[in-house]
Order: sequence, then C-alpha cells, then structure tokens
Amino acid sequence: EAGVTQFPSHSVIEKGQTVTLRCDPISGHDNLYWYRRVMGKEIKFLLHFVKESKQDESGMPNNRFLAERTGGTYSTLKVQPAELEDSGVYFCASSQDQWGETQYFGPGTRLLVL
Amino acid sequence: QQQVKQSPQSLIVQKGGISIINCAYENTAFDYFPWYQQFPGKGPALLIAIRPDVSEKKEGRFTISFNKSAKQFSLHIMDSQPGDSATYFCAASIGSGYSTLTFGKGTMLLVSP
Repeated sequence: EAGVTQFPSHSVIEKGQTVTLRCDPISGHDNLYWYRRVMGKEIKFLLHFVKESKQDESGMPNNRFLAERTGGTYSTLKVQPAELEDSGVYFCASSQDQWGETQYFGPGTRLLVL
Repeated sequence: QQQVKQSPQSLIVQKGGISIINCAYENTAFDYFPWYQQFPGKGPALLIAIRPDVSEKKEGRFTISFNKSAKQFSLHIMDSQPGDSATYFCAASIGSGYSTLTFGKGTMLLVSP
C-alpha cells in the first residue's frame, strides 16, 4: 500500500512569489492534516480536512495560506505571496476515519523563501 | 505557550545503552500520547503510543512511562542501536481519530557504535 506522498520534495522561491504544495493521502483515508516545522521548533498543526470539508483551520498563520482538498482526495496548500518566515518543512498526514488514531505522515516539502 | 515540552534537545548514547527522552504537558484534557520517530529525509512515523489509563507500555525495546499526576511521559529505548539514531517527537492529542497532534520540539538521538 502506498504511503502519503508529497510534491515537490523541495522548493526554493523568492519572497513575493507563489508556491503550491500537493499532498496525496493514503487511499481511503478521510482525514488529511497539514503541519509545518520551522527550523528548530516543534511541528505545528495548520489545518485538518475530513473528506473535502475543512474540519479545523485554526492553525493557519494568515490569509496568505489557502488549502483545498478536491473531491476528498488529494490536497493542495498554496502560499501567496510567500514571506521569509514561511520557510520550513510542510508535512501532510492522513488517518483513516474518526476511529483511526494513527496519523501517517508524508516525507514533507522543504520550502525555502529567499 | 508551548503545550508539550520535550527534553533533551539532543542525546548521544553508546550502543547498548539506555536512551531516555522526557516530555511534559500542560493541558489535562490530553488523553493520547504518541511518540514519533523520524529519519533524515523521511516523515515522522508512529513508534509507540499510550493512553493515561496505564502507567507503562512496552513494545520490544521501546517503553513509554506515563505519570498522570506529574503530567509527564517519557520514552525509554533499551539496548540502543546505531539504527535507532533519529529524531524523536513526543506528541499529545485530545481524543483520537479526528484529533490534531500537539508536538514537542524533538530530540536528535545519536547512538554511537
């Protein structure tokens, strides 16, 4: 069974540009989460989808971040315009359903904003 | 305010030794405490988890000790091996399933041969 996949693995952009990160969860998983780790800090929650609906987006830093989950399958996280403090590793995780405790993480997208 | 505090930040242990990583939490509503292991270039992977109705859980060489009154939990790696060298994150959540994880800052463990 394929795990959670994320694309791209790395992205280097200049301040003010736009970047879109993609996450493909494990097939059949209803829950999809986005997290971010800024260097040296903890992994922080950004938002949570249940199927195509946003269950919780309390961790989104500001309105420069836009997440979507088309048809309850893959998800995208767009940052527009990117700022220096957006640099970090963005992780996507998925879990099966409301009884699925285990969150399975993707390898992350390393974003560097110059 | 950091809700889950993890220490130490880094740890060097000799092969065969015991690695101990500690975490403390603030929110008494947390009731699920997983540990994640992350190798370079990979995402975090669930290692072992505990609920507060038990004080200890053991899986192979990995043991979680949980102290509800002190709001602390720790990971013990017995007979540490070079292959255990990784970053370890403790986490906590309220409930399961739909619950989001609150992580500690991570501990970089190096097991020397």
